[in-house]
Amino acid sequence: GNSVTQMEGPVTLSEEAFLTINCTYTATGYPSLFWYVQYPGEGLQLLLKATKADDKGSNKGFEATYRKETTSFHLEKGSVQVSDSAVYFCALIETSGSRLTFGEGTQLTVNP
Amino acid sequence: DTGVSQNPRHKITKRGQNVTFRCDPISEHNRLYWYRQTLGQGPEFLTYFQNEAQLEKSRLLSDRFSAERPKGSFSTLEIQRTEQGDSAMYLCASSSGLATGELFFGEGSRLTVL
Repeated sequence: GNSVTQMEGPVTLSEEAFLTINCTYTATGYPSLFWYVQYPGEGLQLLLKATKADDKGSNKGFEATYRKETTSFHLEKGSVQVSDSAVYFCALIETSGSRLTFGEGTQLTVNP
Repeated sequence: DTGVSQNPRHKITKRGQNVTFRCDPISEHNRLYWYRQTLGQGPEFLTYFQNEAQLEKSRLLSDRFSAERPKGSFSTLEIQRTEQGDSAMYLCASSSGLATGELFFGEGSRLTVL
């Protein structure tokens, strides 16, 4: 079956530091890949996505590239802000599927 | 506010009682999903509706759980004879179906079973 594995967390950084959150996946077909973010007290919201190999998703300074050869979709940001403190979830969906499969989430805390 | 709305936001109940959660999706969305999230874990898929039809159910959805979407608009998730293991955040999401995997989530309904 499908699965998503995220780097063990939590992650604590200082403002303006570089962020990487690792995500690897297992899927039987050619899934679409997503990063969702959950800010404190809010519902999950889509951050970015990539639908095929070598696609790069980007939003709000965050980027992730769909690497089929390494089955990875790592999230990066060059300079984090305190407002980026949240839980980040990597997820996938099969091409003909209806359900998102999520990773366990990574808590990010950015200190001023 | 035209986002996904869930009620109640918090529910505390005693073991063995029945509880019902309601989800009002974004009005033009024909797809509705229920997920369950426990502390420190990612959301786990429970079930999915397209309009009023329940098209997929997870093995996590035991026979004590039932979900409906009678008119293809709001949905309810009922848990009968609650157990302590049912304590979790129940998330509802909706989508238009035009962009696979792009879901809009509500803030969730937290269930605590004593």
